[in-house]
Amino acid sequence: GAVVSQHPSWVICKSGTSVKIECRSLDFQATTMFWYRQFPKQSLMLMATSNEGSKATYEQGVEKDKFLINHASLTLSTLTVTSAHPEDSSFYICSARNLRTSGNNEQFFGPGTRLTVL
Amino acid sequence: QKEVEQDPGPLSVPEGAIVSLNCTYSNSAFQYFMWYRQYSRKGPELLMYTYSSGNKEDGRFTAQVDKSSKYISLFIRDSQPSDSATYLCAMNRGGGNKLTFGTGTQLKVEL
Repeated sequence: GAVVSQHPSWVICKSGTSVKIECRSLDFQATTMFWYRQFPKQSLMLMATSNEGSKATYEQGVEKDKFLINHASLTLSTLTVTSAHPEDSSFYICSARNLRTSGNNEQFFGPGTRLTVL
Repeated sequence: QKEVEQDPGPLSVPEGAIVSLNCTYSNSAFQYFMWYRQYSRKGPELLMYTYSSGNKEDGRFTAQVDKSSKYISLFIRDSQPSDSATYLCAMNRGGGNKLTFGTGTQLKVEL
């Protein structure tokens, strides 16, 4: 149980285009999903918290108009990088909380999506 | 000062060694402590999840939390080459609040 998937696993796009990344909880329901980015040899940086049926909460310094987050159902959240630029190239990882886990505090991570913007 | 401090390594040990990984933190409100293992170009995998102070053992892994010292540890016994990865500590106040991560320690277990 507690499996989280991401699609695509890697994507290369041209500068100025938009890219959508999907995060799915496969065998559990997740009211909350989190989106992170990770640069090489660095830790995870939280970008935003995504709650099902409501607007995402963005961390300080993260442009909400550039990183659009939609949490349409209890099993799916999407991150759209709009007008991508080379500096947006990074490893994007989502995580989800399992409603059925005791304390509802554990987070399970997806395998990540590597974005390269040319 | 970062909320969570973790030595980035790299840490290199021979196969079969006992590995000790550590994090210190400054926020006394943290109640839940986790260790994640991350292989290169993969997402983090939850290894250990503990609440408050004390020890928790799972197979070759033991997590220790000392809240009085704001210090947590992960011990790996009989380390294997397959344990080679980056180990991230993470913690929060509970209630599904956001996690605060350490920078990760890169571990290499050599034959």
